[in-house]
Amino acid sequence: NAGVTQTPKFQVLKTGQSMTLQCAQDMNHEYMSWYRQDPGMGLRLIHYSVGAGITDQGEVPNGYNVSRSTTEDFPLRLLSAAPSQTSVYFCASSSSGAVYNEQFFGPGTRLTVL
Amino acid sequence: ILNVEQSPQSLHVQEGDSTNFTCSFPSSNFYALHWYRWETAKSPEALFVMTLNGDEKKKGRISATLNTKEGYSYLYIKGSQPEDSATYLCARSHLNRDDKIIFGKGTRLHILP
Repeated sequence: NAGVTQTPKFQVLKTGQSMTLQCAQDMNHEYMSWYRQDPGMGLRLIHYSVGAGITDQGEVPNGYNVSRSTTEDFPLRLLSAAPSQTSVYFCASSSSGAVYNEQFFGPGTRLTVL
Repeated sequence: ILNVEQSPQSLHVQEGDSTNFTCSFPSSNFYALHWYRWETAKSPEALFVMTLNGDEKKKGRISATLNTKEGYSYLYIKGSQPEDSATYLCARSHLNRDDKIIFGKGTRLHILP
């Protein structure tokens, strides 16, 4: 099993550009989530999904969209990139009942918005 | 939003010494408390998930306790080693259909040789 994979590993965008960060897992996990990591801030939840077709907002959802058309994939879309979105983005997944099961994290995507 | 507070923010410990740090959280609608270990340039890895008041869990030299009534958890490291240097994150989930797992800002542990 590859676990949780994320692409790309690094990305540089100009302000106003859009892009999609990819996340996939091969563990048949129901729960998937996106976090951003900023210095001194720990991990902040952007969006999450408890299953295919279901998504919900986390702590910092503004400027990001998600969809969950399949169990395996949970892409994160930046509609119009801003410098404030410069961060490291982590995708995570967990078997159903994520509240009491451990999450498995991907390797992260480092995004710079100029 | 469920505030999870961790203290201290940063900690320097001499190799061989034992240490502990704290995670505080709102106790209402509590469901589970998670501890993760996060090494620099890597991804967070789960240490423990605890759900019951009074829970104690142990993995090697690392252990954790949980008090859901007063809203805190302690993580203990016995006989610190250089490989324990990492950021330790706790996260809380609450009893709700919309499962949010909210992290604290972490405790950054530095082991001094």
